[in-house]
Amino acid sequence: DTAVSQTPKYLVTQMGNDKSIKCEQNLGHDTMYWYKQDSKKFLKIMFSYNNKELIINETVPNRFSPKSPDKAHLNLHINSLELGDSAVYFCASSQGGSSTDTQYFGPGTRLTVL
Amino acid sequence: AQSVSQHNHHVILSEAASLELGCNYSYGGTVNLFWYVQYPGQHLQLLLKYFSGDPLVKGIKGFEAEFIKSKFSFNLRKPSVQWSDTAEYFCAVNARGTGRRALTFGSGTRLQVQP
Repeated sequence: DTAVSQTPKYLVTQMGNDKSIKCEQNLGHDTMYWYKQDSKKFLKIMFSYNNKELIINETVPNRFSPKSPDKAHLNLHINSLELGDSAVYFCASSQGGSSTDTQYFGPGTRLTVL
Repeated sequence: AQSVSQHNHHVILSEAASLELGCNYSYGGTVNLFWYVQYPGQHLQLLLKYFSGDPLVKGIKGFEAEFIKSKFSFNLRKPSVQWSDTAEYFCAVNARGTGRRALTFGSGTRLQVQP
């Protein structure tokens, strides 16, 4: 069983569209994250949720809106897509509640905005 | 805020050569340290981690890393690389005691192992 899964794996869309990426973890973790990996492979945190509550919201355009319907899911909705949004988006999860957490990553969603 | 530097951006080695990838972090407090590997087209996998205790940690696939607090370093080593080690390697840290669990990553090192 995949511990952290994301759908879709690839997403190609036009500028201006709205799209969503879904993430699910079956590890029983309390904390979930979204990271963005740019074309130079640099990874940066976007959001973090703990028990459905937003705890980290980095400097990300408000076109990006995370939603956590329950603690096993963290979806990312992006409005009015721009060329610069093209990247690989990784979801991750960790147990939370401990200063020695380990994060486990999903397979990534490669978003291409044309 | 913490930051991470990986000085080697691209390393090319022959099989059986020894590997050392540098990682330095900047943060005044206590940190957790991680090395992740990303094989071509795949997700990030945890290689090893350091929280406390013995500063020499062993991970999967024969990798190890040494935490040197005085140098703010956490270098990754492997005595003999294989072609299958070709991948991108990321060092990451998070600060303990802040409640902020997000990882801060280095820019990555691309390792290319030639047969």
